[in-house]
Amino acid sequence: AQSVSQHNHHVILSEAASLELGCNYSYGGTVNLFWYVQYPGQHLQLLLKYFSGDPLVKGIKGFEAEFIKSKFSFNLRKPSVQWSDTAEYFCASYNTNAGKSTFGDGTTLTVKP
Amino acid sequence: DVKVTQSSRYLVKRTGEKVFLECVQDMDHENMFWYRQDPGLGLRLIYFSYDVKMKEKGDIPEGYSVSREKKERFSLILESASTNQTSMYLCASSFTTAGARRTEQYFGPGTRLTVT
Repeated sequence: AQSVSQHNHHVILSEAASLELGCNYSYGGTVNLFWYVQYPGQHLQLLLKYFSGDPLVKGIKGFEAEFIKSKFSFNLRKPSVQWSDTAEYFCASYNTNAGKSTFGDGTTLTVKP
Repeated sequence: DVKVTQSSRYLVKRTGEKVFLECVQDMDHENMFWYRQDPGLGLRLIYFSYDVKMKEKGDIPEGYSVSREKKERFSLILESASTNQTSMYLCASSFTTAGARRTEQYFGPGTRLTVT
């Protein structure tokens, strides 16, 4: 079965630190990959997505992610986090054959001012 | 902006009651989804639908059913609510591109259901 694994459940950083959240997916076929963010009290919203082409994708608020097919990974990065980045982050893969998405368990990021 | 609305933000029901959760999207999206979100478990897919009157089981369909009579509306039904169905329920929608690719999902605010 398709699965998505996020490496860290809870990450605590100070402002201006660099961020990397790990994500690995299991499906070897064609996948679309996403990172979503849920700020406290708000809806889940899209941060960035990868369908094809340049494996380095840029999203909103300075986030980027790199698709590495050989490692089945899609890690999220930000060079310098802000207090307002405190949120829960979800990696998701869409399996084009099965026709459904699978989400990781989520990573809670706390940024200390 | 895409808007996905859910009928209630908070709901408290008793064990054994039949529960209806409604979801409406205003962007003419073909695809609609129901998830439950539990701490440490992420989002788990309950049911999804790619067209009116069409439904597919997700990863955890037991104890749930769905209805999609109109394109914009997707209902989740708990036939006989149980305490282990206490959770946050999220509805989402997406569209299918001309190349048959289903895009990112747009989420509603969620319904926090408590079953006592």
